[in-house]
Amino acid sequence: GENVEQHPSTLSVQEGDSAVIKCTYSDSASNYFPWYKQELGKRPQLIIDIRSNVGEKKDQRIAVTLNKTAKHFSLHITETQPEDSAVYFCAASYPNTGNQFYFGTGTSLTVIP
Amino acid sequence: DAGVIQSPRHEVTEMGQEVTLRCKPISGHNSLFWYRQTMMRGLELLIYFNNNVPIDDSGMPEDRFSAKMPNASFSTLKIQPSEPRDSAVYFCASSFSAPGELFFGEGSRLTVL
Repeated sequence: GENVEQHPSTLSVQEGDSAVIKCTYSDSASNYFPWYKQELGKRPQLIIDIRSNVGEKKDQRIAVTLNKTAKHFSLHITETQPEDSAVYFCAASYPNTGNQFYFGTGTSLTVIP
Repeated sequence: DAGVIQSPRHEVTEMGQEVTLRCKPISGHNSLFWYRQTMMRGLELLIYFNNNVPIDDSGMPEDRFSAKMPNASFSTLKIQPSEPRDSAVYFCASSFSAPGELFFGEGSRLTVL
C-alpha cells in the first residue's frame, strides 16, 4: 500500500498544554486527509478532515494544517484535557488507486491531569 | 440508521478452522473497507469495494483471505485456514463517497489459538 508516516508514536502532555502530531504522505495526488481518534476498546471516529484545496481548518480546540508542497499535514490540539487521551490516526486518500485510505501508525496521546 | 454492523464481536477459534466475519454497511453508502488492526502494524487496509466491486485487494495477506460483497448491504471476510498470526481486530467501514468520512463498525476481535 501507499506510505503514510506518523510521528510521534507516543506523546504525553500536561493538561492545558498543546499537542502536535505530524504526518507525511507519498503520493502528490492525494487530496483528502482525515484524522481519527480511537479510545481504548472503541472504534476509530473522525474528528477533523481537510481537503487539498485548503491550507488550514479549525474546529474549536482542534486544527489541522496541510502543506502540499512538502506533503505533510499536522494535527494541533490546544488546551488539552484528560478526555483527549486516546490514539490518533492520520490518513491520506490515494485517488490514482481508487480513493482508498491508508492510515498512519498512530500516536498514543496521554494528557496528564 | 444503526451504523455499520459487524458480527461476531468476538471469535475464538483453533488454528486451521475457517472464520467468517460479516459486515452490514450504512444504507446508501457505496464504499466499503475492511481493515485489520494489531499493535505491531496499526490499521492495515485489506480490501476496498466501491459499488460492490473490489477495487483494491492488494492488502489481503495471502490466499487464505477472501472477501465478497454480494450486494450493497452485506460483505464477508473469510479466513481459511486460520492461523495464530491472524489474531487481530478486524474493522469494517463504509462511506457515502470516496474520499469521505469513514464510519467504522465496532470491530470483530479474532483470536486464533
